[in-house]
Amino acid sequence: DSGVTQTPKHLITATGQRVTLRCSPRSGDLSVYWYQQSLDQGLQFLIQYYNGEERAKGNILERFSAQQFPDLHSELNLSSLELGDSALYFCASSPQTVPNEKLFFGSGTQLSVL
Amino acid sequence: GQQLNQSPQSMFIQEGEDVSMNCTSSSIFNTWLWYKQDPGEGPVLLIALYKAGELTSNGRLTAQFGTTRKDSFLNISASIPSDVGIYFCAGPPVSGYALNFGKGTSLLVTP
Repeated sequence: DSGVTQTPKHLITATGQRVTLRCSPRSGDLSVYWYQQSLDQGLQFLIQYYNGEERAKGNILERFSAQQFPDLHSELNLSSLELGDSALYFCASSPQTVPNEKLFFGSGTQLSVL
Repeated sequence: GQQLNQSPQSMFIQEGEDVSMNCTSSSIFNTWLWYKQDPGEGPVLLIALYKAGELTSNGRLTAQFGTTRKDSFLNISASIPSDVGIYFCAGPPVSGYALNFGKGTSLLVTP
């Protein structure tokens, strides 16, 4: 058990819909990262938050947004969903911000867009 | 970002065999990390390497930080069925804050 909790574990929705994925980092970790895993692209970094502030952006679509709350949990919002958004979404946490070396991953949310 | 290329893409071996996989980059890395993802779970850190030429073991796993700093290798000796999973190499980028991951090597082990 990594200590990182992600909910829900599975999510099935339709195109055009909006969903929210939730992540609780390990106790004491201030950094939260979101990654998308698809079969052809591997693990793609989406966005990072550190202590409530956005720190870095990766290949995140404009239809996607995230935030980190004062209690350090984070939410990833995916809107206007398309079939191609179907993927496994991971949250990871780390006590560090720079340089980032070791990440602790949750078990992921499997998103299926039908 | 800096691309990490892993090979082979997949391996299908028999229990007891040794396994070798590698990861290369066009850019220099100061740290190499190897993660393993079990089916249905998130990646877990196996080994971290911090110095060119460094050789580090974790049980039956041995990883090396290439001397050019552009590659790393992971070996698994005497494989067992629970070694099944996807093995990722990763490294922190020169600029930015998030780890870059390779696309992974998928390992299947038959009893």
